[in-house]
Amino acid sequence: AQSVSQHNHHVILSEAASLELGCNYSYGGTVNLFWYVQYPGQHLQLLLKYFSGDPLVKGIKGFEAEFIKSKFSFNLRKPSVQWSDTAEYFCAVKAAGNKLTFGGGTRVLVKP
Amino acid sequence: DAGVIQSPRHEVTEMGQEVTLRCKPISGHNSLFWYRQTMMRGLELLIYFNNNVPIDDSGMPEDRFSAKMPNASFSTLKIQPSEPRDSAVYFCASSFPQISYNEQFFGPGTRLTVL
Repeated sequence: AQSVSQHNHHVILSEAASLELGCNYSYGGTVNLFWYVQYPGQHLQLLLKYFSGDPLVKGIKGFEAEFIKSKFSFNLRKPSVQWSDTAEYFCAVKAAGNKLTFGGGTRVLVKP
Repeated sequence: DAGVIQSPRHEVTEMGQEVTLRCKPISGHNSLFWYRQTMMRGLELLIYFNNNVPIDDSGMPEDRFSAKMPNASFSTLKIQPSEPRDSAVYFCASSFPQISYNEQFFGPGTRLTVL
């Protein structure tokens, strides 16, 4: 069965710091990859997605992610975070079937 | 455009009562997913439907939980009888895999509290 690992459960950083969240998955075939964000008290919203082509994907709000197939990774980055980026971030993978497998989430707290 | 609609947004009930959560997917989407989110267990997939047919219900906790999708525009998740440990936020999501590569669109959620 496919699985998704997000290694950091909690991240605390200051405004303007750079952010990188790790995501690794276990599936040897073709995958679609997603990062979702959940702001406090809200539902999950799509940040970015990868299907094919350029492994460096740019999303909303200045986020980007890089797909490295050899490492089974899809790490999320933002060069300079803002207080409003405080949220929980979920990596998800679509392998076989139509369902997504979500990671456990990473809670990010940005201190003003 | 209307997104995924869930009702009620909040539900408070007493242990033993029946609870029904409702979801209207985005028009034209043919896959629907029910998730449960708690602090302890994170985001869990309970069940999903393709073209109104349940495909994978392995995440349904026990027989007290049931889900139906009588048509393409409506689904229910029922808990009978409810227990305090069912307290969680329940999300419904929909997708159109043939177009959006399985990107899922989430509803606002139903916050369930069982006393």
